[in-house]
Amino acid sequence: QKEVEQNSGPLSVPEGAIASLNCTYSDRGSQSFFWYRQYSGKSPELIMSIYSNGDKEDGRFTAQLNKASQYVSLLIRDSQPSDSATYLCAVDGEEYGNKLVFGAGTILRVKS
Amino acid sequence: NAGVTQTPKFQVLKTGQSMTLQCAQDMNHNSMYWYRQDPGMGLRLIYYSASEGTTDKGEVPNGYNVSRLNKREFSLRLESAAPSQTSVYFCASSFPGPRNTEAFFGQGTRLTVV
Repeated sequence: QKEVEQNSGPLSVPEGAIASLNCTYSDRGSQSFFWYRQYSGKSPELIMSIYSNGDKEDGRFTAQLNKASQYVSLLIRDSQPSDSATYLCAVDGEEYGNKLVFGAGTILRVKS
Repeated sequence: NAGVTQTPKFQVLKTGQSMTLQCAQDMNHNSMYWYRQDPGMGLRLIYYSASEGTTDKGEVPNGYNVSRLNKREFSLRLESAAPSQTSVYFCASSFPGPRNTEAFFGQGTRLTVV
């Protein structure tokens, strides 16, 4: 089992819809969870961080964490064509030597 | 405020040649990382440095060496490049701790080994 797993996609949603991106991780001791957005040919940029169970909202983005299920998700409301990118989930944890481990990423395509 | 700066941005090497990728950060971060990114593989950790003078292997360290020259700089060396090392390389930095803070990335180095 990979340490951090994501569906590679592509996930296609119409403009204005909610995009739901999911990530599972293997280390129950993980404490920090991040979502990065990466446009083609560019470097990853952080869009959300979450450390506690529950939801965290920032503008159109909501991160959801469920440590019991080892699951973290990202919801993008009112999706825009400019949201089309690869979304990378990153997790740390003792099992990983407290290093950041990334999933393979989910490609999101928002169609206008 | 430059953040994380990587050089070079592009490089073509012949098999067997050596080169060093340079990375510097001006955010006073303790932790620095080198990742490689291949299509469909996400970011895979090559080496990690928690502080000046310390380095630790990541998921794919074979064929690479690193040097944490000081708090600001973390270099990645390919001693004898192979076509399998064709990839995009990213350097990143962050504050460490019981909870990692966000990692900031450099602009990447696109390396082709022929």
